[in-house]
Amino acid sequence: EAGVAQSPRYKIIEKRQSVAFWCNPISGHATLYWYQQILGQGPKLLIQFQNNGVVDDSQLPKDRFSAERLKGVDSTLKIQPAKLEDSAVYLCASSLDLGLGELFFGEGSRLTVL
Amino acid sequence: AQTVTQSQPEMSVQEAETVTLSCTYDTSESDYYLFWYKQPPSRQMILVIRQEAYKQQNATENRFSVNFQKAAKSFSLKISDSQLGDAAMYFCAYRSASNNAGNMLTFGGGTRLMVKP
Repeated sequence: EAGVAQSPRYKIIEKRQSVAFWCNPISGHATLYWYQQILGQGPKLLIQFQNNGVVDDSQLPKDRFSAERLKGVDSTLKIQPAKLEDSAVYLCASSLDLGLGELFFGEGSRLTVL
Repeated sequence: AQTVTQSQPEMSVQEAETVTLSCTYDTSESDYYLFWYKQPPSRQMILVIRQEAYKQQNATENRFSVNFQKAAKSFSLKISDSQLGDAAMYFCAYRSASNNAGNMLTFGGGTRLMVKP
């Protein structure tokens, strides 16, 4: 079974530039999550989708971050414009449903903002 | 809001020895789930072990076991017979059992485990 796929693995940009990360969840997984993991900290949930609807985006900085999950499969997380403090690893995870389904994580996309 | 605290930024253990990683949490809920996740360097996070708060029996998975103390809000992970492949960041995580919580996890800050040959 293929795991959660993310790209790109690494991205370096300058502040005020934009960046987009892509995630392909495990086939059949209805729930998709984006987490932000700043160096030395635990992951923090940014947004959670159930199919193509948003379940929770209370911690998403909506002035610069956006995310979508068109057709309820792949998802894209965008940052525009980026700030220095956005340097982090962006983890995508998926689970079968909103219940106690195990979360499966991708390898993450590491963003460095200069 | 729930919080999860891991007070040990780094731990080291000799290969084949036993190590215990600490985790405390704060919640006003009575029903919830607790997890330990392992994150090897540059690799994806994987679930190590899970505990349901309503179960008194501590969860075990092969060499991994937990000591769940609900009253003390403590959830430690014991790794027996440590192996070089156990070296990783370990994260403790909390999930509410409320239907409104979705499947959202709250993570601690992590503990880096080093295994010495």
